[in-house]
Amino acid sequence: QQQVKQSPQSLIVQKGGISIINCAYENTAFDYFPWYQQFPGKGPALLIAIRPDVSEKKEGRFTISFNKSAKQFSLHIMDSQPGDSATYFCAASYGGATNKLIFGTGTLLAVQP
Amino acid sequence: NAGVMQNPRHLVRRRGQEARLRCSPMKGHSHVYWYRQLPEEGLKFMVYLQKENIIDESGMPKERFSAEFPKEGPSILRIQQVVRGDSAAYFCASRDQGTSGNTIYFGEGSWLTVV
Repeated sequence: QQQVKQSPQSLIVQKGGISIINCAYENTAFDYFPWYQQFPGKGPALLIAIRPDVSEKKEGRFTISFNKSAKQFSLHIMDSQPGDSATYFCAASYGGATNKLIFGTGTLLAVQP
Repeated sequence: NAGVMQNPRHLVRRRGQEARLRCSPMKGHSHVYWYRQLPEEGLKFMVYLQKENIIDESGMPKERFSAEFPKEGPSILRIQQVVRGDSAAYFCASRDQGTSGNTIYFGEGSWLTVV
């Protein structure tokens, strides 16, 4: 119930292509779905986030698509660049007393020049 | 505007020693989280603290691990009698008080190596 399942584990995309990473959850109480980007040796940094009252959110080249009925959400990176090569984590949280984030297992993205 | 500050960034301990990791949240933030990241794995929640209170420690191992966030000073994650399996990156994160979904900001992490 508390899990967030993320796929694929790794992804290779050509420069200029679209990177797509998918996540699925079980707990319908989740109400906040962020994506974090992590470079080697660094901490995770918030990339973009969405709430379940909208089906899509776009910020620059990054878009979250959210399907509430399927309990799935995905990150799309348009015009992928070598500088986007990093590990991407989806996460979910719900209010309650903690707002703690439950993370997916991560996707290692490599964008080839 | 300083972010979440963690130290030390890298720490080497022999088996059986103690590791003490420190975290100063972002200015104005009174909520602190600790996460552990094992090699090639995701981030696992350990503990959530507010000033002088542990709110949720459901992810903390029952033995050897403890955390505090005193009224003054940084939050401390303490690991006693370290074992090789404790080798990991430990991330602190903070947010300000408020409604759910407030952005959680992560520090750069403390990399613990147990030899």
